[in-house]
Amino acid sequence: AQSVTQLDSQVPVFEEAPVELRCNYSSSVSVYLFWYVQYPNQGLQLLLKYLSGSTLVESINGFEAEFNKSQTSFHLRKPSVHISDTAEYFCAVTKAAGNKLTFGGGTRVLVKP
Amino acid sequence: GAGVSQSPRYKVTKRGQDVALRCDPISGHVSLYWYRQALGQGPEFLTYFNYEAQQDKSGLPNDRFSAERPEGSISTLTIQRTEQRDSAMYRCASSLAGQTEKLFFGSGTQLSVL
Repeated sequence: AQSVTQLDSQVPVFEEAPVELRCNYSSSVSVYLFWYVQYPNQGLQLLLKYLSGSTLVESINGFEAEFNKSQTSFHLRKPSVHISDTAEYFCAVTKAAGNKLTFGGGTRVLVKP
Repeated sequence: GAGVSQSPRYKVTKRGQDVALRCDPISGHVSLYWYRQALGQGPEFLTYFNYEAQQDKSGLPNDRFSAERPEGSISTLTIQRTEQRDSAMYRCASSLAGQTEKLFFGSGTQLSVL
């Protein structure tokens, strides 16, 4: 079975500052890794994913995450946040080609002007 | 439809009542998933279907919970004899066959059991 730990439940950050959201996973098999975002009053949306290949993956809105197998981590970063990035972010894992996601507890990001 | 549709958006019920939550997946999506998200936690897997076949129900917490997808499209999650601990956001997601890496989630049904 897989498990995910998001070490920070809340991250306050000023606009245009960098942010890092930490995610560590546990699995005995190969995994796929994901970051989902939930904006206020909306459903979960896929932000980015790692399936295989390059360990650095990017989203269209400036986020990036790096798969680190030795540290079993998949931290999410953005060099300069906007007010619109205020949301809750969930890290998730599934075994490669598996059928159920295991989510972390989420990290709330509050971007302050 | 354009996205995964769930109804009702909010459901308030009294303890002991049965509730049925509906999910209408994206047209053409073979796989349908149910997740439950308690306040302050991440979503937890409940069950999933390919077409009308329930492939995995290992996440259903007890026998009060059941799900069906009789025609391989719309799905209903039923909770019998609701309890306060059932209060949560219930989320449905769909994908093309087995493509967990391309899940689309609905907005969820917020269930409150009084």
